[in-house]
Amino acid sequence: GQNIDQPTEMTATEGAIVQINCTYQTSGFNGLFWYQQHAGEAPTFLSYNVLDGLEEKGRFSSFLSRSKGYSYLLLKELQMKDSASYLCAVRWGMGAGNNRKLIWGLGTSLAVNP
Amino acid sequence: NAGVMQNPRHLVRRRGQEARLRCSPMKGHSHVYWYRQLPEEGLKFMVYLQKENIIDESGMPKERFSAEFPKEGPSILRIQQVVRGDSAAYFCASSPQRQQNEQFFGPGTRLTVL
Repeated sequence: GQNIDQPTEMTATEGAIVQINCTYQTSGFNGLFWYQQHAGEAPTFLSYNVLDGLEEKGRFSSFLSRSKGYSYLLLKELQMKDSASYLCAVRWGMGAGNNRKLIWGLGTSLAVNP
Repeated sequence: NAGVMQNPRHLVRRRGQEARLRCSPMKGHSHVYWYRQLPEEGLKFMVYLQKENIIDESGMPKERFSAEFPKEGPSILRIQQVVRGDSAAYFCASSPQRQQNEQFFGPGTRLTVL
């Protein structure tokens, strides 16, 4: 199957750094996305990785290792407003239909404490 | 540039009624995706459409569910003879034709079946 695994919950302290991991099946991989979703709201895009390495965007960075089927989202200088669910999503396949569909992990609920 | 719009935001139906959920993609976007999110669960892909075409409906239940994206007007997700298990948040996302990365999400329609 196209399993995506990420931790269910994490807790961190305001001002700290937290790393949220995501593992996935590598066959047919065609890109990995991280989204943030606050309770009762729509997911919002954070990052996209298709090549190995680190993509940095302000306080948020995302890393990908295609050979290991592994990604992480790194959040620095945590703020209370970062308390949310973080969703890892993978795109598989290269066909006209498959290259658009995203398969989603269950999300990691991050609680930032003062 | 208005974002993805969905209406209604909240919809209450009794068992056996029909539910119609509408999605207007961002201006210039010709690709629409529908996702369902059950309480405490991840986003599940349902269907991917372009104007007047269903590209991938592998996530749609075989019965009672249908989707369309006509040449004019919004995309419609239709659920006939709703049951309590259909209660969920239904999100629509859109992407532009040439950009194969980020999908932009609407605010969602929260369907409650009594």
